[in-house]
Amino acid sequence: DAKTTQPTSMDCAEGRAANLPCNHSTISGNEYVYWYRQIHSQGPQYIIHGLKNNETNEMASLIITEDRKSSTLILPHATLRDTAVYYCIVRVGETSGSRLTFGEGTQLTVNP
Amino acid sequence: GAGVSQSPSNKVTEKGKDVELRCDPISGHTALYWYRQSLGQGLEFLIYFQGNSAPDKSGLPSDRFSAERTGGSVSTLTIQRTQQEDSAVYLCASSPFRRSYEQYFGPGTRLTVT
Repeated sequence: DAKTTQPTSMDCAEGRAANLPCNHSTISGNEYVYWYRQIHSQGPQYIIHGLKNNETNEMASLIITEDRKSSTLILPHATLRDTAVYYCIVRVGETSGSRLTFGEGTQLTVNP
Repeated sequence: GAGVSQSPSNKVTEKGKDVELRCDPISGHTALYWYRQSLGQGLEFLIYFQGNSAPDKSGLPSDRFSAERTGGSVSTLTIQRTQQEDSAVYLCASSPFRRSYEQYFGPGTRLTVT
């Protein structure tokens, strides 16, 4: 599995866009980029995933560079409830029975 | 639609007692996972069910832990003769067929063994 690198922490003002970067320079052609977050005292929450095209859902947008060596998760209008640890993982997508493991992630703090 | 639900949300039990934790996955999801998370720690995989296949029990820490999934839906995690080190948040997740990295988690059961 490709290794990912994320900043340890980031701050964002409430109402502004939060842009969380992830480097995955050893990603393979069949590996997807997945993003999860974990709000304090809650279970992990799936956010979004993508292969090579940019993706958007009701929670966030995922921008993947053309060479797929890095990506950015965008929360367009961050709220205080978005304060959480955000995890970027890279895995083969079409598979069964794969257990999740998270690295260190990025602690995003949204400030009023 | 309804997400993954777990019950109870909190359970306090005495050392040596048995406990049962319940998980209702998202309807139509074929895969179900149990994890646990101790305070400030990462996810610890326990067991995985996929359809009618034999479960992957490789993460169960001891033979005091067991789980079953009835009718391909609801799952129960049983811990026998609980120990203080079993105290943790027990998380259940489900995922669609062959999309195992798209896991949807329940709120968890906080187990405290006194």
